[in-house]
Amino acid sequence: QVQLVESGGGVVQPGRSLRLSCAASGFTFSDYPMYWLRQAPGKGLEWVAVAPYTGGYHHYADSVKGRFTISRDNSKNTLYLQMNSLRPEDTAVYYCARETTPKQFFVGGMDVWGQGTTVTVSS
Amino acid sequence: QSVLTQPPSVSGAPGQRVTISCSGSSSNIGAPYDVQWYQQFPGKAPKLLLFDNNNRPSGVPDRFSGSKSGTSASLAITGLQAEDEADYYCQTYDNSLFVVFGGGTKLTVL
Repeated sequence: QVQLVESGGGVVQPGRSLRLSCAASGFTFSDYPMYWLRQAPGKGLEWVAVAPYTGGYHHYADSVKGRFTISRDNSKNTLYLQMNSLRPEDTAVYYCARETTPKQFFVGGMDVWGQGTTVTVSS
Repeated sequence: QSVLTQPPSVSGAPGQRVTISCSGSSSNIGAPYDVQWYQQFPGKAPKLLLFDNNNRPSGVPDRFSGSKSGTSASLAITGLQAEDEADYYCQTYDNSLFVVFGGGTKLTVL
């Protein structure tokens, strides 16, 4: 079945780095733009970054621009989020999600979500 | 401060109809970009409830419907059931901010 599974979360000190992974299965990964989103404890949803399905520019929320890098390996059906210079305010559950419509960008929202991986930034 | 404005909470009795509003601006909902709605239970990932304003993914009951007008959108739930108690988020796109969400609305079934 269609599935996204995140991994790589953990506890990290401020200023350090962490890389999240999202393994996709059950669909043609290379056909879909993919997103990272996050949810701080007790707070709402926040979009973090998006990777087009093929080529093109990646886009980032202002809160992470210059610190986080989204990438994908279509041969491994895997999405990544490299997080550098982490701050306490980056503490959140991080979700990867799939664009609703294949080969479309910023259309229809996100129809498949992973279970999330928790990142805690604390000294 | 979220780009889209939702009421923090709404409530209704079983069987009733409730609506959740989502207010944006001319750079997002009014641009015009279509609106999505997500349902989230505590400790769980969000679930897409409606896309493109009023389209239901397979498996979503027709008790859930959406509308959009100008710079606002709304989610309506009819025949309210206990299992509808959850957090609801609106989402759209923005000319400058790309992807934006509302702050979320907690629905309580009385």
